[in-house]
Amino acid sequence: SQQGEEDPQALSIQEGENATMNCSYKTSINNLQWYRQNSGRGLVHLILIRSNEREKHSGRLRVTLDTSKKSSSLLITASRAADTASYFCATDGKGGSEKLVFGKGTKLTVNP
Amino acid sequence: NAGVMQNPRHLVRRRGQEARLRCSPMKGHSHVYWYRQLPEEGLKFMVYLQKENIIDESGMPKERFSAEFPKEGPSILRIQQVVRGDSAAYFCASSPIFKGTDTQYFGPGTRLTVL
Repeated sequence: SQQGEEDPQALSIQEGENATMNCSYKTSINNLQWYRQNSGRGLVHLILIRSNEREKHSGRLRVTLDTSKKSSSLLITASRAADTASYFCATDGKGGSEKLVFGKGTKLTVNP
Repeated sequence: NAGVMQNPRHLVRRRGQEARLRCSPMKGHSHVYWYRQLPEEGLKFMVYLQKENIIDESGMPKERFSAEFPKEGPSILRIQQVVRGDSAAYFCASSPIFKGTDTQYFGPGTRLTVL
């Protein structure tokens, strides 16, 4: 079954606005990661947040993790047209499994 | 430091042919993972390998698919007797030898089209 589920499925905003994407998961985790994928390209790792962390920043990215609600959010501030891409959350399993389980992603469009 | 390399980037096969996808992990990485992505979907785990060992193949179809990561050379994902449903993007990822760094670094993918 799907572990990470992102919402919304698609998001369209204007340049300069903030974009918030959410991810929910089902089982306990060691960490949660966010990846970005430009159309037809590979995945770029954005940020990893561990299960004992609540918030993490990297440049214009802010990730939160609420393990009690099994959810995470990715905030991109002051968006740019170049941020247009699909964003995926991926979780691992606390059972020691190293495989990542991905959601279907949020397709973000930033209009100039 | 070169990233994860995959080749070919695009592969076209007719039904019944074999497809071989190659993945060279980042330097110093001895863990390799293969994922498949169907159009408009997220990535689905297929197999996790270390050098000369398959650690977890729970996501691999039981028939026609196999993977290896030899002592020397790239990891290979092999699909025999391809069918149209095998058309997808196949991504390889690698991670370092030591635990504690859980980030997987992805290659650009191989897009397989089965005619």
